[in-house]
Amino acid sequence: DTEVTQTPKHLVMGMTNKKSLKCEQHMGHRAMYWYKQKAKKPPELMFVYSYEKLSINESVPSRFSPECPNSSLLNLHLHALQPEDSALYLCASSSGAPGSTTNQPQHFGDGTRLSIL
Amino acid sequence: GNSVTQMEGPVTLSEEAFLTINCTYTATGYPSLFWYVQYPGEGLQLLLKATKADDKGSNKGFEATYRKETTSFHLEKGSVQVSDSAVYFCALSATGGGNKLTFGTGTQLKVEL
Repeated sequence: DTEVTQTPKHLVMGMTNKKSLKCEQHMGHRAMYWYKQKAKKPPELMFVYSYEKLSINESVPSRFSPECPNSSLLNLHLHALQPEDSALYLCASSSGAPGSTTNQPQHFGDGTRLSIL
Repeated sequence: GNSVTQMEGPVTLSEEAFLTINCTYTATGYPSLFWYVQYPGEGLQLLLKATKADDKGSNKGFEATYRKETTSFHLEKGSVQVSDSAVYFCALSATGGGNKLTFGTGTQLKVEL
C-alpha cells in the first residue's frame, strides 16, 4: 500500500474536456511533486510545491494547471489536452523542502493513467 | 549537468540467479543516490538509498554501495525471485538541487522459473 493516494486511477477524456487529478498524503510532508511518465521512460518532473507554494514549473504547457489547496492535497487541472499528453501522471511527496541541504527521498503514488481521445 | 547512466535492458534471469544492475552518475558535490522499483501498473517505490560515500543501502535482499571513487551505485541481489520482475530506476538528488531527482533510463528485469 502506498502512502500517497491518487485518484482516479484511470481517466479517459476528450480534447475539449476539463478534468482534475487529485493527490493526497498524510505523512506531514511539505513538498509535493507532479510527474509525467510515458511508457518505458523515466518520470519527467512537471511541478514542485513547497509549503503549498509553487516552487518549480518545468516549462509545462498552460493546459496543465496545478493547485495545492493545503499541505495534504495536490491537484492537477487539465484542459484542452492533446493526444501526446496521454501518459501516467505520478504524484510524489517528500519531507525535505526543496532548497534544504538534505535530500529526502520522494514517495510516489500509483499514478493516474490518462488517455486523451 | 547531472546525469545517471544505467545498463540497457531487458535483463532476463532464472530464479535464484545473482543480479547486478549497473548505475553510474555525474554530479557536482555529494548527491544522494536512490534505487526505485516500478512494478507493472504501479507507481515508483523507493527500494533503497545512500546519502554519502561508502554508505550501503539495503532492503528486501537488494543492496547498493555509494562509490564516490567510481561514481557508481550498482544494485545487487544474491538470489532473485519471479516477484522481483519490474523496472528498476537509479536516481540522484544533487546537493542544493531543490530535491529534484535525476533518473536513469530504467532497466527492466524479467525473472523466469
